[in-house]
Amino acid sequence: EPEVTQTPSHQVTQMGQEVILRCVPISNHLYFYWYRQILGQKVEFLVSFYNNEISEKSEIFDDQFSVERPDGSNFTLKIRSTKLEDSAMYFCASTNGNTGELFFGEGSRLTVL
Amino acid sequence: GEDVEQSLFLSVREGDSSVINCTYTDSSSTYLYWYKQEPGAGLQLLTYIFSNMDMKQDQRLTVLLNKKDKHLSLRIADTQTGDSAIYFCAERTNNNAGNMLTFGGGTRLMVKP
Repeated sequence: EPEVTQTPSHQVTQMGQEVILRCVPISNHLYFYWYRQILGQKVEFLVSFYNNEISEKSEIFDDQFSVERPDGSNFTLKIRSTKLEDSAMYFCASTNGNTGELFFGEGSRLTVL
Repeated sequence: GEDVEQSLFLSVREGDSSVINCTYTDSSSTYLYWYKQEPGAGLQLLTYIFSNMDMKQDQRLTVLLNKKDKHLSLRIADTQTGDSAIYFCAERTNNNAGNMLTFGGGTRLMVKP
């Protein structure tokens, strides 16, 4: 069964450092998403991406965040200067837009010290 | 904005049926989802229902949707200890470019042997 894959599974970084989280969406999917889940809290939408541009973003997705699809397979989330409150599990998701199925990856746990 | 609410906790005995409930506010929902999250793991898509349906059955899972009351439920028949996890309800709306999901806070299901 096709799946969304994410790397790294866990990253520990110092406050102020840049972090890049990587995702490989399912190959025929067209819509890509990043969500995050702070420990013990709701899963929150960050950004959606379609046709090589951001289609929607939440208030959380400020100037410190950016997304990119550098080639035909990867979808990345960059945090330029990490803060303590960026510590969370970050989930990538994708869908083809034609069916209801929206699949998530296993997540990347980011710990900012 | 959209809001999705779930009860926090449900405890059942192995072999019983579990019913997890969810309410949402956005009447323009297109799809409604149930995801399962085991400890330290990602979001596993269990099932989803299109908003013009009122029921969907998939093996031990039955989803009921009452669109008038904006109420969604997930019934797990013959609940097993392996079903112990957090279950997230989510709605997907079509009123934005990104088709993002809004998640509930999750219901922790505990299955006692």
